[in-house]
Amino acid sequence: EVQLQQSGPELRRPGSSVKLSCKASGYSITDYLMHWVKHRPEHGLEWIGWIDPEDGETKYAQKFQSKATLTADTSSNTAYMQLSSLTSEDTATYFCARGQLPGYNPNWFAYWGQGTLVTVSS
Amino acid sequence: DIQMTQSPASLSASLGETVTIECRASEDIYNGLAWYQQKPGKSPQLLIYNANSLHTGVPSRFSGSGSGTQYSLKINSLQSEDVASYFCQQYYNYPYTFGAGTKLELK
Repeated sequence: EVQLQQSGPELRRPGSSVKLSCKASGYSITDYLMHWVKHRPEHGLEWIGWIDPEDGETKYAQKFQSKATLTADTSSNTAYMQLSSLTSEDTATYFCARGQLPGYNPNWFAYWGQGTLVTVSS
Repeated sequence: DIQMTQSPASLSASLGETVTIECRASEDIYNGLAWYQQKPGKSPQLLIYNANSLHTGVPSRFSGSGSGTQYSLKINSLQSEDVASYFCQQYYNYPYTFGAGTKLELK
């Protein structure tokens, strides 16, 4: 059974950074891209980008290019997202999500982590 | 970026009723569209992919249709467990984009 287990809630000061994790089980993360999605109730869902854990290749939505850094550790089957220079606009729930299809095919998200709430507040 | 315009923003319906949610893309997305259901505090759950394919385990009262720039999600015989928010997502082109969501409540 495919499962994505995300790290717990985070509280950070403005200007700081945070690193979220997403541990996959039931499959090898090298076989599928890992996507990250931002959710704010008043703003809906936003796609941040993906990482190919097999070779570290990444693709970002332009607005997250300098905000998010995606990495992966194949030895622990875990993907990570670091968010830098945090502001109140980064307060949101962040999801990791895996596509249904392997490789670089256009993909819908069949599997989602439970989400990590990041709160940015002084 | 492809803009996804979803309507209505909220919807109130009775048990057993049929409801329809629409999504319009700013350009042709060639059926590269998925629908998700999200309940408060939970992650989105896939309902439909490729505009009209039902994801494994999803009740058959959910269906998707459309083509080009116009797509819709239909829920037949509304059940209490269908109270949730619903989002469309295009994956035809990067960046993937989502509709703003439809909040479905019971009347």
